[in-house]
Amino acid sequence: QPVLTQPPSASASLGASVTLTCTLSSGYSNYKVDWYQQRPGKGPRFVMRVGTGGIVGSKGDGIPDRFSVLGSGLNRYLTIKNIQEEDESDYHCGADHGSGSNFVVVFGGGTKLTVL
Amino acid sequence: EVQLVESGGGLVQPGRSLRLSCTASGFTFGDYAMSWFRQAPGKGLEWVGFIRSKAYGGTTEYAASVKGRFTISRDDSKSIAYLQMNSLKTEDTAVYYCTRMVGGVYGHWGQGTLVTVSS
Repeated sequence: QPVLTQPPSASASLGASVTLTCTLSSGYSNYKVDWYQQRPGKGPRFVMRVGTGGIVGSKGDGIPDRFSVLGSGLNRYLTIKNIQEEDESDYHCGADHGSGSNFVVVFGGGTKLTVL
Repeated sequence: EVQLVESGGGLVQPGRSLRLSCTASGFTFGDYAMSWFRQAPGKGLEWVGFIRSKAYGGTTEYAASVKGRFTISRDDSKSIAYLQMNSLKTEDTAVYYCTRMVGGVYGHWGQGTLVTVSS
């Protein structure tokens, strides 16, 4: 099964842009990844799914246009433009693997985004 | 509006059991697979398992860490998914979330319920 790697932290100034990275382990370059936002003390919120061709399907409910994704090789990127205070959150990436009794969902360790 | 509300969490001793509920509203519950995830304090997300809709047999799949101890079930008449947790261990301490699955996407999550396993 794939391993997803995320840097533990990132920061950006109010109004700036930031790109968060989720890296798949070797051999899984065709995998789609889901991004989730988790504000302090809250449950996760689906942002969007990304493959090598970019967004797959629709954004999650209420996700603003400032959020976008790209996929390249083993990397899946989430870019947030014009960062707002409410974007300060943990961002998790996850991917499904296998089927039937071998099915599993794997997650990266999450990136804590601090808005300066 | 899709809403998922988890309940049933609390403090439980190691080796004991606990049943969590996920009450759904805003959609036709029986048409969807439902999944459970958890998040240990200060840690990342972990998938627990899911149950298919009755149209797909209502069967279940589980993470290796809970297989044989946890059971997911559903009552479509009440729009509730359950997570029965037996033989609880201290490492099962976490906030437990339920989600609705649509095309493999976990688009809607509840607010979670905290389970603390401690003597």
